[in-house]
Amino acid sequence: GQQVMQIPQYQHVQEGEDFTTYCNSSTTLSNIQWYKQRPGGHPVFLIQLVKSGEVKKQKRLTFQFGEAKKNSSLHITATQTTDVGTYFCAGHQGAQKLVFGQGTRLTINP
Amino acid sequence: DVKVTQSSRYLVKRTGEKVFLECVQDMDHENMFWYRQDPGLGLRLIYFSYDVKMKEKGDIPEGYSVSREKKERFSLILESASTNQTSMYLCAAFSNTEAFFGQGTRLTVV
Repeated sequence: GQQVMQIPQYQHVQEGEDFTTYCNSSTTLSNIQWYKQRPGGHPVFLIQLVKSGEVKKQKRLTFQFGEAKKNSSLHITATQTTDVGTYFCAGHQGAQKLVFGQGTRLTINP
Repeated sequence: DVKVTQSSRYLVKRTGEKVFLECVQDMDHENMFWYRQDPGLGLRLIYFSYDVKMKEKGDIPEGYSVSREKKERFSLILESASTNQTSMYLCAAFSNTEAFFGQGTRLTVV
């Protein structure tokens, strides 16, 4: 079964507040990816992390890959209404199998 | 950009029907995936393929089969549709770093 767990399932924030979603795998991942799905849309790739302990930033978004390569986080600073959507983590189990977390749905009060 | 096209956006089928969901990519990516998306469950992997005529079961293959006769086309088959297969189906093609998704097919089985 699915072995990539993501929390929380839902998060509602006031615009300007920070947001964090966490991803945990029961097995070591070769890499971790993050996707964003806008309401009514399909998942769109944000970033890939490969190295143990890696941290990457995209403007207000900070992505982190754990030292053991079993967990990851996405942090958004000072959310904006354009950040609304569902954020998914995904990891490769083995060479080809790409599995996704359950996603965190972010809603924002303007 | 890679384009992944799914044959139908919306589909309504009767219980017991054989259903074909088609997916075509316009790049030369070897890995292709079929997921279903249900509220609270995220993206669950049904089947994936890493080459022509090669296929691997994902986490929820029961009730489904796939076909990959050509590199660009990956078809999902519901042998005998049931109401619990009502869902959003997403096809993806994977490059070395990211998955490109189709727009999704919302299938309703009545």
